Amino acid sequence: GAGVSQSPRYKVTKRGQDVALRCDPISGHVSLYWYRQALGQGPEFLTYFNYEAQQDKSGLPNDRFSAERPEGSISTLTIQRTEQRDSAMYRCASSLAGVEETQYFGPGTRLLVL
Amino acid sequence: DAKTTQPTSMDCAEGRAANLPCNHSTISGNEYVYWYRQIHSQGPQYIIHGLKNNETNEMASLIITEDRKSSTLILPHATLRDTAVYYCIVRVALGGAGSYQLTFGKGTKLSVIP
Repeated sequence: GAGVSQSPRYKVTKRGQDVALRCDPISGHVSLYWYRQALGQGPEFLTYFNYEAQQDKSGLPNDRFSAERPEGSISTLTIQRTEQRDSAMYRCASSLAGVEETQYFGPGTRLLVL
Repeated sequence: DAKTTQPTSMDCAEGRAANLPCNHSTISGNEYVYWYRQIHSQGPQYIIHGLKNNETNEMASLIITEDRKSSTLILPHATLRDTAVYYCIVRVALGGAGSYQLTFGKGTKLSVIP
């Protein structure tokens, strides 16, 4: 069975450009989470969805960051006017809705802003 | 505020049991204890979770103290492939008040030595 997939795996962009990162969750998983991980640190929460509804976006650092999941499956995290400080590993996780929600993580997208 | 406290690093001889402690003295009655690990730059991998009873699966055992203020993850026969950063996380059960994202601390870097 396929796990969580993310694309692209690596993205190099110039400061000021917009980037879109894609997450394809495990089939049938209701919840989808985005995290950001700096080198040497644990992942930090950004936002999450149940189906297509964005339930919590309190972790998004500023209004340049947005996310959507229009059909309740694939999600896109968009960063507008990228800055060097946005460079990090962006990770997506998905889970079945249930009392004990185990999150399964994808391989991540490594973003480098020059 | 950090909800869990873990040692920064630990060593374990190959083939021996690795016992990773975690303090979570402020844990609430409806919060689970989760353990994830991260091998090199891969995505976090779920290991095990529990509420108040001890748990065992094919990967590890989780021992939770009676007062639930601390727990220990046990890898019964550590191998070189178990070298990773291990994260102890407390998280509210679905349906409880609070957010469902995982809050990662710094974790414990476990080094399994030949």
